[in-house]
Amino acid sequence: AQSVTQPDIHITVSEGASLELRCNYSYGATPYLFWYVQSPGQGLQLLLKYFSGDTLVQGIKGFEAEFKRSQSSFNLRKPSVHWSDAAEYFCAVGRGAGKSTFGDGTTLTVKP
Amino acid sequence: ETGVTQTPRHLVMGMTNKKSLKCEQHLGHNAMYWYKQSAKKPLELMFVYSLEERVENNSVPSRFSPECPNSSHLFLHLHTLQPEDSALYLCASSQDSRAGGELFFGEGSRLTVL
Repeated sequence: AQSVTQPDIHITVSEGASLELRCNYSYGATPYLFWYVQSPGQGLQLLLKYFSGDTLVQGIKGFEAEFKRSQSSFNLRKPSVHWSDAAEYFCAVGRGAGKSTFGDGTTLTVKP
Repeated sequence: ETGVTQTPRHLVMGMTNKKSLKCEQHLGHNAMYWYKQSAKKPLELMFVYSLEERVENNSVPSRFSPECPNSSHLFLHLHTLQPEDSALYLCASSQDSRAGGELFFGEGSRLTVL
């Protein structure tokens, strides 16, 4: 069965600092991997996705993620965080859009 | 309108009431989904519809009854709910329900069951 672990429930970073959100997955084959962001009172929005090819994928809002098969990880990064990045971030893994399994989420707080 | 629209945004109901949540997508997608998002729990997939046919039902109690009259509209009919059903219900759509598609989410309907 597929599963996703986001080890960090809550992360606080200063505005302008770099960010890395961790995601580890368990899946029997090459997974499709996603990162979504949810701002308060909003639905989820796709930041980026990995299906195959280049293991470093670029997304919207300056985010990127790197797929590391040997570590079963798909960590999300941003070089310089903005206050508007404060939100909840979800990693998801799956073989079909509706069959994705979501992690528990990581809440990002940005300090001025 | 664009994207995925959900109404109502907030709903309070008693355990004996019957209400419905509505979702409409303006993206020309063929698959629609209901998810439940509870505090401190991961996102739970409830139902999947592909081309108006239900293709997945993840052991959801019968007090939740989905309806998909066409590829643009999805309803979740609610009756005799329990307080533990209080949650944010998210509708999503995708081009189709096969592998690899991104999900487009609505803003959710916040349900409170008294």
